[in-house]
Amino acid sequence: NAGVMQNPRHLVRRRGQEARLRCSPMKGHSHVYWYRQLPEEGLKFMVYLQKENIIDESGMPKERFSAEFPKEGPSILRIQQVVRGDSAAYFCASSPNPGQNTGELFFGEGSRLTVL
Amino acid sequence: AQTVTQSQPEMSVQEAETVTLSCTYDTSENNYYLFWYKQPPSRQMILVIRQEAYKQQNATENRFSVNFQKAAKSFSLKISDSQLGDTAMYFCAFMIGGGGADGLTFGKGTHLIIQP
Repeated sequence: NAGVMQNPRHLVRRRGQEARLRCSPMKGHSHVYWYRQLPEEGLKFMVYLQKENIIDESGMPKERFSAEFPKEGPSILRIQQVVRGDSAAYFCASSPNPGQNTGELFFGEGSRLTVL
Repeated sequence: AQTVTQSQPEMSVQEAETVTLSCTYDTSENNYYLFWYKQPPSRQMILVIRQEAYKQQNATENRFSVNFQKAAKSFSLKISDSQLGDTAMYFCAFMIGGGGADGLTFGKGTHLIIQP
């Protein structure tokens, strides 16, 4: 059973460009979380999605950032007009129905975004 | 809102020694989970151990055990017979039972170094 798959693992963008990060959850998982990790920091919650629904985006900046989890295909975290402060590792995690799970999230290996 | 505090930014011990990493949290919830995650240099987030708040018995996984003090809101991790491969960042994390909308709340981490 494949784990959570994230790509690209590394992405370099110049200021003002767009970054797209993809996440395929574990098979059978319908809930996806995105976290951001700045250097020397813990992971900070950004957004929680189910298929075709954003459940909680309270941790995501209102401007330039968006996320989706379509019926078919991976979840995508999109950052428009990137700035240097967006440089970070972005982690995706998935879980089965939270009402039935044991609280554990399964993490991908992260996507490291570097903005020049 | 929940908070997780790890007061030790870095710790260093000799191989084969026992080390304890501290974690405190703050919540008004009664049903929740606590976790310790390990992040080695590869940056993959690896679950080390999980504790359900309603269980009084401390969780144990081989060389890893926790000291869960619910009244004190303390959740420390003990690593026995430490090994070089234990060198990593360790994050304490909290989740509301049933899968809170914001998933896991992480502490800032403790960098554990095992010296040969």
